[in-house]
Amino acid sequence: NAGVTQTPKFQVLKTGQSMTLQCAQDMNHEYMSWYRQDPGMGLRLIHYSVGAGITDQGEVPNGYNVSRSTTEDFPLRLLSAAPSQTSVYFCASSRLAGPYEQYFGPGTRLTVT
Amino acid sequence: GDSVTQMEGPVTLSEEAFLTINCTYTATGYPSLFWYVQYPGEGLQLLLKATKADDKGSNKGFEATYRKETTSFHLEKGSVQVSDSAVYFCALSAGTSGSRLTFGEGTQLTVNP
Repeated sequence: NAGVTQTPKFQVLKTGQSMTLQCAQDMNHEYMSWYRQDPGMGLRLIHYSVGAGITDQGEVPNGYNVSRSTTEDFPLRLLSAAPSQTSVYFCASSRLAGPYEQYFGPGTRLTVT
Repeated sequence: GDSVTQMEGPVTLSEEAFLTINCTYTATGYPSLFWYVQYPGEGLQLLLKATKADDKGSNKGFEATYRKETTSFHLEKGSVQVSDSAVYFCALSAGTSGSRLTFGEGTQLTVNP
């Protein structure tokens, strides 16, 4: 059982480049979300989804896009990378509503120069 | 809006010392409360949770009691080990937002032999 997987583990981008962070889960969870982790700020919600075809914005959505075409996958797209997007990104999934445990992926460390 | 405040860190203890990490929250309605732990280089994992007032969550020797009157959910352990060194996050899930989690800033714990 793989749980929540994320690729890549590390990425360096130049300002203005675009890329997609991949996230997949094999637990048939309806709810998936993306967070960014910055020192002293905890985890902040970027976007989330309550099922295939349904996404919504979290606390810090600017500069990021998401889509959910299947239950399993929830990619995060950076449209034009900026140094302020240097962070560690975590994907998480859970059953819908709650209070259910959220399962986190191992994270992607992104540096934008 | 909802918010979680954790005690400032980092915290450094000797093995077998008593641990308390303070957590207070602000939320509408009746939130569920969580402690997540992040070991070096890994994603977050659920440590314990409580879903209503006066509930006590416990796991691996850690405990936290949901105190509605003081809006607190302090994490305690009677005797820490070196293997407990990690970052600890307090979080809440408010009823109106379903699975959505709001995190505190995180507290880095280092336990020395």
